[in-house]
Amino acid sequence: DAKTTQPNSMESNEEEPVHLPCNHSTISGTDYIHWYRQLPSQGPEYVIHGLTSNVNNRMASLAIAEDRKSSTLILHRATLRDAAVYYCILRLHTGANSKLTFGKGITLSVRP
Amino acid sequence: EAEVAQSPRYKITEKSQAVAFWCDPISGHATLYWYRQILGQGPELLVQFQDESVVDDSQLPKDRFSAERLKGVDSTLKIQPAELGDSAMYLCASSPQQGNNSPLHFGNGTRLTVT
Repeated sequence: DAKTTQPNSMESNEEEPVHLPCNHSTISGTDYIHWYRQLPSQGPEYVIHGLTSNVNNRMASLAIAEDRKSSTLILHRATLRDAAVYYCILRLHTGANSKLTFGKGITLSVRP
Repeated sequence: EAEVAQSPRYKITEKSQAVAFWCDPISGHATLYWYRQILGQGPELLVQFQDESVVDDSQLPKDRFSAERLKGVDSTLKIQPAELGDSAMYLCASSPQQGNNSPLHFGNGTRLTVT
């Protein structure tokens, strides 16, 4: 499986934008970039995914580099509730091998 | 919004005892996953079902772990005998279908402590 690399942790201030980086230099053409987050004492929660173009939804934006070797999850206005572990995951589009393989993720802390 | 239900929420058991976890996926979701999460690490896939069939159990320690989804709806994960190293969070997830980038919906897990 292609791997992703994320910093261990990041701090942000409440109500400010947050940019969470992810490197995936061995990404293949059929890999989608997925982001999940896990709040304390809860299961992971889907955030967003994309292939080549930037994506926006109600939770976040995903900016994908032109060569697809890196991506950035953008939280436009951090709240205390956004404090969580964020996982960047590469996932094949279809088939039995399209499982999610989690790394350690990046722990986001939000300061009031 | 529909949720994945798991029980129990917490379980304490002694080593060498048997323990079982139950998961009820979102109605209509054909694919069901069991993950194990050790403290400080990301979840690790143990087994994946498509309806009642096992699609991937390559990471399931089959000497002590078993999983079933007899009617293709709810599922049970069993450990017998439990070992100290099995202490972890056991997460169940479901998705409408395999692949096609259907997001996984996770339950809040069962936290197992083996003493």
